Amino acid sequence: QKEVEQNSGPLSVPEGAIASLNCTYSDRGSQSFFWYRQYSGKSPELIMSIYSNGDKEDGRFTAQLNKASQYVSLLIRDSQPSDSATYLCASKGGSSNTGKLIFGQGTTLQVKP
Amino acid sequence: GAVVSQHPSRVICKSGTSVKIECRSLDFQATTMFWYRQFPKQSLMLMATSNEGSKATYEQGVEKDKFLINHASLTLSTLTVTSAHPEDSSFYICSASGTSRETQYFGPGTRLLVL
Repeated sequence: QKEVEQNSGPLSVPEGAIASLNCTYSDRGSQSFFWYRQYSGKSPELIMSIYSNGDKEDGRFTAQLNKASQYVSLLIRDSQPSDSATYLCASKGGSSNTGKLIFGQGTTLQVKP
Repeated sequence: GAVVSQHPSRVICKSGTSVKIECRSLDFQATTMFWYRQFPKQSLMLMATSNEGSKATYEQGVEKDKFLINHASLTLSTLTVTSAHPEDSSFYICSASGTSRETQYFGPGTRLLVL
């Protein structure tokens, strides 16, 4: 079992819709969770970090964390074609506690005009 | 804030030469820097973790004598690919985190092509 799992997609949504990206993790000791966006040929860009159970909103983005279910999600409201990218979920601070990020394989999002 | 730069952005070299890539944190002190490699359509692969003033910790399967990492200051880490070969052609990305920036912020990456 991979430590952080994401559906590779592609996830296709129409412009203006809500895109829901999901991620599960296996290490219950994980403390911090991050969503990065990576455009093709570019490096990852941080979108959100979340540390506590519940929702965290930033503009059109909402991250949700449920530690009991070991589940992290990212909602993108009013999706735009420019949101088309690969979204990487990452955890940190698990049992190894090395400070390394453990990445999922990424979900490709396609927002169609 | 939290800007990380890399230089060069792109490099082409002949097989057998060495290439140095610089990673700088521009507006914060990076106590830890990470080096990743990414092949086309594949996931990020962590190569090594470096802490300022100490030896880098390499991931399993990464040759430390081939990929030399130096983290001499709180704002600069370098990765040297020694005796590069075509199979080393890849996208090399650094990230940095610090006491005031626990989150990892990524540099723009360096695309290496070895002929």
